[in-house]
Amino acid sequence: QVQLQESGPGLVKPSGTLSLTCAVSGASISRSDWWNWVRQSPGKGLEWIGEIEHNGATIYYNPSLKSRVHISIDTSKNQLSLNLNSVTAADTAVYYCARDRAHSGRWAFDNWGQGTPVTVSS
Amino acid sequence: EIVLTQSPGTLSLSPGERATLSCRASQGISGSQLAWYQKKPGQAPRLFIYGASNRATGIPDRFSGIGSGTDFTLTISRLEPEDFAVYYCQQYNSSVWTFGQGTTVEIK
Repeated sequence: QVQLQESGPGLVKPSGTLSLTCAVSGASISRSDWWNWVRQSPGKGLEWIGEIEHNGATIYYNPSLKSRVHISIDTSKNQLSLNLNSVTAADTAVYYCARDRAHSGRWAFDNWGQGTPVTVSS
Repeated sequence: EIVLTQSPGTLSLSPGERATLSCRASQGISGSQLAWYQKKPGQAPRLFIYGASNRATGIPDRFSGIGSGTDFTLTISRLEPEDFAVYYCQQYNSSVWTFGQGTTVEIK
């Protein structure tokens, strides 16, 4: 059974860089699928951040975050990473990683980590 | 960018009642890339419906999805206590995923 586990600092200073990792167990991250980051700010809905192909060849970002975000994949560690720079209080959220898999050609996020809370504050 | 608008914002119902949740896209989308998720406080989102009408693994048959083009619906035929939560629709188009703002199904 595939499990995803996010980790990283729970507190980041304004204008700093938010860096998170998502460790994948029970499956090889490089074999197939796409891997995503999603966040939920307090009292708000879900916001897609971006996704990366299993081999790292293709990456797509939310246009509203594209100038500040970078997603990468480390197949040797079976994990993906998120870097978000120039953070402000608006980036305070619970951050989730999720697997995007095709089911008979229909893509959806079928596996999620438990999420890790990040607060941006001095 | 395609915007998904969910309605109503909040649905107040009693256990055993029927819930009908709407998700409208700002332009026509492929139903094959429309999904529904359940979200409870402190928990990760959970996939319930993919491809507009296909139940994910382990999802009971009281949940059903239908729709095409710009209008999609999630129906819960008889609400169970564990069904009270927030539901989000999601779509994929032109290399971008977007979520609706969510519908809260609360106990009346």
